[in-house]
Amino acid sequence: GNSVTQMEGPVTLSEEAFLTINCTYTATGYPSLFWYVQYPGEGLQLLLKATKADDKGSNKGFEATYRKETTSFHLEKGSVQVSDSAVYFCALIRMDSSYKLIFGSGTRLLVRP
Amino acid sequence: EAQVTQNPRYLITVTGKKLTVTCSQNMNHEYMSWYRQDPGLGLRQIYYSMNVEVTDKGDVPEGYKVSRKEKRNFPLILESPSPNQTSLYFCASSYYRDSYEQYFGPGTRLTVT
Repeated sequence: GNSVTQMEGPVTLSEEAFLTINCTYTATGYPSLFWYVQYPGEGLQLLLKATKADDKGSNKGFEATYRKETTSFHLEKGSVQVSDSAVYFCALIRMDSSYKLIFGSGTRLLVRP
Repeated sequence: EAQVTQNPRYLITVTGKKLTVTCSQNMNHEYMSWYRQDPGLGLRQIYYSMNVEVTDKGDVPEGYKVSRKEKRNFPLILESPSPNQTSLYFCASSYYRDSYEQYFGPGTRLTVT
């Protein structure tokens, strides 16, 4: 079946450090892949997406590349800020009649000043 | 302002007392969905709706009901809540063709004692 696996958190970094949050997926066919972010007390927001192999999604300094050969979609940022502290969810969409988003378990990021 | 609203934001109730969580969107989206978020499990879909009067089960529909009588509203009904339904609930909506870019409400934290 379809599933998404993320690295466990929390990930704690100092401001301006480099961030990587690993995400791998299992899916039939060629799903589209996403990163959603959840800031404290809020709902999820779409951060970036990639719809086919080798696509790179980017937004707000975050990037992720759709790697079909390794079934991965790792999230990276070169220099994190305190305001990036949030929970990050990797997700894929099931392209059948449900168009359901399938989420990983989420990775909490804490950035210290 | 384009948004998804949920009410109530917080609710503490007792086992067996029927409750409804409302969800409304002002973006004329066809697709609406309910998720529950539990620690370590990410978000799991409860029910979804492709359009008015069209609803279907997600991954964890047991103990829940929904209705879609109007395009903008998608209430979640717990006829007889139980403690295992204590969770954080999110409503989301999107255009049908772009269903990966789902807009999430702020969440409803439900505690069933």
